[in-house]
Amino acid sequence: EAQVTQNPRYLITVTGKKLTVTCSQNMNHEYMSWYRQDPGLGLRQIYYSMNVEVTDKGDVPEGYKVSRKEKRNFPLILESPSPNQTSLYFCASSLLTGYEQYFGPGTRLTVT
Amino acid sequence: DQQVKQNSPSLSVQEGRISILNCDYTNSMFDYFLWYKKYPAEGPTFLISISSIKDKNEDGRFTVFLNKSAKHLSLHIVPSQPGDSAVYFCAASGRSFRGAGSYQLTFGKGTKLSVIP
Repeated sequence: EAQVTQNPRYLITVTGKKLTVTCSQNMNHEYMSWYRQDPGLGLRQIYYSMNVEVTDKGDVPEGYKVSRKEKRNFPLILESPSPNQTSLYFCASSLLTGYEQYFGPGTRLTVT
Repeated sequence: DQQVKQNSPSLSVQEGRISILNCDYTNSMFDYFLWYKKYPAEGPTFLISISSIKDKNEDGRFTVFLNKSAKHLSLHIVPSQPGDSAVYFCAASGRSFRGAGSYQLTFGKGTKLSVIP
């Protein structure tokens, strides 16, 4: 089954404790992206990657890091999480030949 | 500066009637538009799209209309069904806007559609 998976689905952590949210896709997509969804703000892009070892900032990259060492994986790293990073996070992927992105199920992160 | 705007946070429609969701954009470089549907506790799923060279695209009960001069697009759902109750996001992209080969999507804030049985 074609899918984008994210782990964990739910995470509660404390300020300053480094964490990683994993994202994996099995569709051989070149393009992968991370979004955050906040009430009243919709979906905002954090980082994206056009292919292995090629990443770039989205609209709200501050406080986040990413890496793309393999085509299928695109982890999101929060080196020192803060409460304003409490949000619902989505990973997405697509072929470079199309705009339609496939989204993962989301990771709800709470930073206290 | 919000480049994709969905001015109605919510919409209620009776089952069987037409649902019309609206979206406005400000950037004339956008050349591809998409609608996504999102249920609670799930990721958004692609619904329908339209290229800027067209003014209408239809897929079953869903039709998207694009008015480039007004920088406006709308999603029509006919007939509306209770299972259509979800949040709908409008998204736009423009390859030339963000640099060659860019596939970034700019999303609106979403409209929550409730279809009443």
